[in-house]
Amino acid sequence: SQTIHQWPATLVQPVGSPLSLECTVEGTSNPNLYWYRQAAGRGLQLLFYSVGIGQISSEVPQNLSASRPQDRQFILSSKKLLLSDSGFYLCAWSLGRGRSPLHFGNGTRLTVT
Amino acid sequence: SQQGEEDPQALSIQEGENATMNCSYKTSINNLQWYRQNSGRGLVHLILIRSNEREKHSGRLRVTLDTSKKSSSLLITASRAADTASYFCATDAVTGGFKTIFGAGTRLFVKA
Repeated sequence: SQTIHQWPATLVQPVGSPLSLECTVEGTSNPNLYWYRQAAGRGLQLLFYSVGIGQISSEVPQNLSASRPQDRQFILSSKKLLLSDSGFYLCAWSLGRGRSPLHFGNGTRLTVT
Repeated sequence: SQQGEEDPQALSIQEGENATMNCSYKTSINNLQWYRQNSGRGLVHLILIRSNEREKHSGRLRVTLDTSKKSSSLLITASRAADTASYFCATDAVTGGFKTIFGAGTRLFVKA
């Protein structure tokens, strides 16, 4: 069966520090991978998605970047965090195009101080 | 941009009652999905309905889709305290590529 791992679960970082959040998927090949951000009590904002190694689509111009160095690994990064980067970051995977639902990790709660 | 809009934003009911949540969207879709999120956790997929389907059931869940009105509803029958969570609709737009866009969600509270 497929599993998705996302870490760390919580993170407190000062403004101006770098960020690296990692997500890996097991048990499937060539998944679509996604990074979403959720503000407190709000819906999900799509940040990045990837349909293959090295293929990244950015949805929102901002302080963040994403990379996919391996088929089942998706990394969210920032060189310098802003206060507005605080939120709940969720990684997800799916298969195909519009044929399967998203499967989410447990999320990372990021607080920028 | 937000594709789906849920209504109501919050809903409080007694255990045993039915809960109905609505979702409206803006563009033509391939499918519509409903997800559940417990506080501080990731989302869990509940049900997917394709654009050529009008109704779908899964256990105590019933989803309807009206593409002419660009709307969907999620009905949870005989609710339980454990159903307390936030519920989100999400859409895969016809022209959206691989993107799944979520609404703001409905927060459901079921009182025991």
